[in-house]
Amino acid sequence: GQSLEQPSEVTAVEGAIVQINCTYQTSGFYGLSWYQQHDGGAPTFLSYNALDGLEETGRFSSFLSRSDSYGYLLLQELQMKDSASYFCAVRDRDDKIIFGKGTRLHILP
Amino acid sequence: EPEVTQTPSHQVTQMGQEVILRCVPISNHLYFYWYRQILGQKVEFLVSFYNNEISEKSEIFDDQFSVERPDGSNFTLKIRSTKLEDSAMYFCASRDLGQGNYEQYFGPGTRLTVT
Repeated sequence: GQSLEQPSEVTAVEGAIVQINCTYQTSGFYGLSWYQQHDGGAPTFLSYNALDGLEETGRFSSFLSRSDSYGYLLLQELQMKDSASYFCAVRDRDDKIIFGKGTRLHILP
Repeated sequence: EPEVTQTPSHQVTQMGQEVILRCVPISNHLYFYWYRQILGQKVEFLVSFYNNEISEKSEIFDDQFSVERPDGSNFTLKIRSTKLEDSAMYFCASRDLGQGNYEQYFGPGTRLTVT
């Protein structure tokens, strides 16, 4: 079967760094995406890794290790507005992606 | 900035009725998608659409569902005979051709309530 595992909740302090891990088991693999979703909002694209390594976009970085079926999203200099749910998503076929269950990030002042 | 739009924002319907959810993807995008999200749960892929035909579909996308691009701008999801368990937020998304990061742009969603 297809499965993506990520922690259900993570809590961090404003200004700190947090890492959200994702492991996956899928029939195919083309790449790993990360999406942010605020309560009541639509998912917003953050990053995509097709190859091993680290991709950096501002305060957010995403890492992929295909041999370990593992990736993570790193958020630095946390701000209160980063409080949201974060979903990893595997592109398991050419034009189909599977989302994980999401990690709810709580940020404390 | 261009964005995906969806109508209506909220649709209430009775079990067994047909509903059509409408989406206007970003104008130069060529790949279109429908997802659903039951309250508090993960986003689930329903279908992808390219070049006027379905590219991929999930197990959820059974015979009660259909998609159509009736003109050059709209992309619709039809649910023929709604069930209580179809109550969810339905998101449309689109992406550009050849975008290496595979970024999908999501619309604000239509909340479907089946009573």
